[in-house]
Amino acid sequence: NAGVTQTPKFRVLKTGQSMTLLCAQDMNHEYMYWYRQDPGMGLRLIHYSVGEGTTAKGEVPDGYNVSRLKKQNFLLGLESAAPSQTSVYFCASSYLQLYEQYFGPGTRLTVT
Amino acid sequence: AQSVTQPDIHITVSEGASLELRCNYSYGATPYLFWYVQSPGQGLQLLLKYFSGDTLVQGIKGFEAEFKRSQSSFNLRKPSVHWSDAAEYFCAVGDQTGANNLFFGTGTRLTVIP
Repeated sequence: NAGVTQTPKFRVLKTGQSMTLLCAQDMNHEYMYWYRQDPGMGLRLIHYSVGEGTTAKGEVPDGYNVSRLKKQNFLLGLESAAPSQTSVYFCASSYLQLYEQYFGPGTRLTVT
Repeated sequence: AQSVTQPDIHITVSEGASLELRCNYSYGATPYLFWYVQSPGQGLQLLLKYFSGDTLVQGIKGFEAEFKRSQSSFNLRKPSVHWSDAAEYFCAVGDQTGANNLFFGTGTRLTVIP
């Protein structure tokens, strides 16, 4: 089992560019999450999904979109990147609501 | 609204010394509480969790935490710290209102001196 994987590991974008971050899990988990981690602010939930074909907003959803077309994949999109989106992005998955979340290794994104 | 406070941004302890990391939460009902650890450059790993029952919970790597409702606290402890415990530690509270969220504290960075 690979667990939760994230692609890419690092990315540098210019302001206004778009990109998609891919999260994949092989644990057959229903729930998937995207967080961002900023210094001194802990982790904040961007969007989450409670199953294939569903998505919902978290605490800081503005500027991001997500899709869950397949149960094992959860995509995070930035349509027009801004410097404020410079952060480390973590994907997580869990079998049931509020049970243990398994985290990916993170994607470090810099927007210049 | 749910929130988690970790009052200590950075703690330094000597190897072999005991450790206590503080966590205070704000939540209207009985909370679901978690401690996660993040090693440098890695994702988060669950150390332990509290849902109900015994207020002293045991986790991996020799860690334990005690839920104290009267103090709204869920402090993490370890009797003897190892150099490999150097990492960042996050306390989190689970939102049970249907939003499926974990609300994380801002983290405590632990440095271990040989």
